[in-house]
Amino acid sequence: EVQLVESGGDLVQPGGSLRLSCAASGFTFSSSWMIWVRQAPGKGLEWVANINQPGNQKYHVDSVKGRFTISRDNAKNSLYLQMNSLRLEDTAVYYCARGDGVGAIDCWGQGTLVTVSS
Amino acid sequence: DVVMTQSPVSLPVTLGQPASISCRSSQSLVHRDGNSYVDWVQQRPGQSPRRLIYTVSNRDSGVPDRFSGSGSGTDFTLNISRVEAEDVGVYYCMQGSRWPPTFGGGTKVEIK
Repeated sequence: EVQLVESGGDLVQPGGSLRLSCAASGFTFSSSWMIWVRQAPGKGLEWVANINQPGNQKYHVDSVKGRFTISRDNAKNSLYLQMNSLRLEDTAVYYCARGDGVGAIDCWGQGTLVTVSS
Repeated sequence: DVVMTQSPVSLPVTLGQPASISCRSSQSLVHRDGNSYVDWVQQRPGQSPRRLIYTVSNRDSGVPDRFSGSGSGTDFTLNISRVEAEDVGVYYCMQGSRWPPTFGGGTKVEIK
């Protein structure tokens, strides 16, 4: 069974940093491109970042570019999101997801909540 | 970026009756390979999203056949032939044909 388990969400002050992790199991992690998607409270879904299988190609949405960095460790079957200079508007549930084909997601984690507040 | 516009925003439905959700894109979603990469995602209350339909009309494993997807170009539709109580939630369309992938704003399905 494919499983994606996020961790690392917390309450943090504006300007602070946080590192999210996603532990993958039940599939060949190194063969899958991976994604972070977020959902602000009561709002819709927003693609945040994605990374290819070896980890040498990354994309970050403009609103987080220069502040967030996606990475992966294929030896540990883990995906990460380093979040720096956090803003109030970064408050959201962050989902780890597995990429499937062209720009698609076939599996989602349960999410981890990041709250940015003073 | 491609804007995905869903309608209606809210959809009250009687149990056993059909439901239809529309998704319109700001530009054609025909990929250079000839396919249109449009998915439909269900999010039940308090749960994480789950994909129902991929590449316009293909049902994911375990998805009831009362769910179907159709469309082409810029207009896409998710149909539920007979709504059941477990179908309550928010439905999102998503496109992957043009980078970056984008989501519609969501349609909330509720029981009348």
